[in-house]
Amino acid sequence: KQEVTQIPAALSVPEGENLVLNCSFTDSAIYNLQWFRQDPGKGLTSLLLIQSSQREQTSGRLNASLDKSSGRSTLYIAASQPGDSATYLCAVLTQGGSEKLVFGKGTKLTVNP
Amino acid sequence: NAGVTQTPKFRILKIGQSMTLQCTQDMNHNYMYWYRQDPGMGLKLIYYSVGAGITDKGEVPNGYNVSRSTTEDFPLRLELAAPSQTSVYFCASSYWLAGGILYNEQFFGPGTRLTVL
Repeated sequence: KQEVTQIPAALSVPEGENLVLNCSFTDSAIYNLQWFRQDPGKGLTSLLLIQSSQREQTSGRLNASLDKSSGRSTLYIAASQPGDSATYLCAVLTQGGSEKLVFGKGTKLTVNP
Repeated sequence: NAGVTQTPKFRILKIGQSMTLQCTQDMNHNYMYWYRQDPGMGLKLIYYSVGAGITDKGEVPNGYNVSRSTTEDFPLRLELAAPSQTSVYFCASSYWLAGGILYNEQFFGPGTRLTVL
């Protein structure tokens, strides 16, 4: 059974700092990995999708990497801003006939002005 | 292009009541999903559908029912509401192209906050 873990559960940084959020998964047989952002009381916004054949994806100040063999992904946020404060969720789509995303519990990020 | 829309946004039910949570997507996605999110527990899949007329159970289906009569709509039915069903419910959709390049980027609706008292 696929399990997704995100460390740390919460992170507080000063504005302008570069930071890394971590995601690990137990079953490396995945189709893709997706990073989401969730603001308090809101839905999930897709940030980046990495296919299993890819090593990284970039969007603006965000860069996500994938090391499928070791079961790890990182989300790098450059020059953090207070508007980046949110919960970041990692989810994997596992092979094996089950078209379902398995989510981590998220990392709550606070960027202080 | 509204994406994924959900109604209602908030609802309070009494124990034993029933209700339907509505979900509509206008992206012509074949896959649709229902999740629930409980504090500190992450998202759990309730039901999903791979196309009109086809549905399947997820991780936590008990107490819920779904139907998919059209590509656009995927309502979630709660029968005999219980306090354990107090949660935030999210609908999502994606386009799955098997046998070739896979997309399956999931897009989420804004959620329905349900309280059962």
